[in-house]
Amino acid sequence: DVKVTQSSRYLVKRTGEKVFLECVQDMDHENMFWYRQDPGLGLRLIYFSYDVKMKEKGDIPEGYSVSREKKERFSLILESASTNQTSMYLCASSGGGGGYTFGSGTRLTVV
Amino acid sequence: AQSVTQPDIHITVSEGASLELRCNYSYGATPYLFWYVQSPGQGLQLLLKYFSGDTLVQGIKGFEAEFKRSQSSFNLRKPSVHWSDAAEYFCALFSSGSARQLTFGSGTQLTVLP
Repeated sequence: DVKVTQSSRYLVKRTGEKVFLECVQDMDHENMFWYRQDPGLGLRLIYFSYDVKMKEKGDIPEGYSVSREKKERFSLILESASTNQTSMYLCASSGGGGGYTFGSGTRLTVV
Repeated sequence: AQSVTQPDIHITVSEGASLELRCNYSYGATPYLFWYVQSPGQGLQLLLKYFSGDTLVQGIKGFEAEFKRSQSSFNLRKPSVHWSDAAEYFCALFSSGSARQLTFGSGTQLTVLP
């Protein structure tokens, strides 16, 4: 069964900490995405990548960065976590055409 | 720019009743459209997709959706809802142009009464 694995289901971090959210896919997909999900706002795209070492800003990139050193791994980095970054973070991958496979999500709380 | 609107934030139906979740889109070309479902605490799972051809598409778990170009709609339906269908449902549009990404609606939360 194809998989997108997010390393943590729940995380609690302190304001100002550097936070790494890891995502690994086993489908050899070129495209990977990071979304955040907040009640009433749906899913908002933070960053995406179409290839190794390539990244593109999504709709809400401020306060975030990403790293894609290997095809199967796409990391989301919060350089200095703030309370307004408390959210559910979803990683997805795609071979193209919009049929995404999602991970189970990481619920991040910043205190 | 493309957009997806799900007018209903929350819908409640009784088990065994029929269901229709609304989705409207705005896009300048023929859209690729999707419905995803999210169970509590989980990621999103693809229910069905429309690329072209037959405007009535079948998906998993007994769901279907109909693409109506004249109404810019892609409504999701199920003839008889089961308690396990309680979840949040997202409509999405894929831009095949330079953006090449999914745009999601804000979601519809479905509650199923016994």
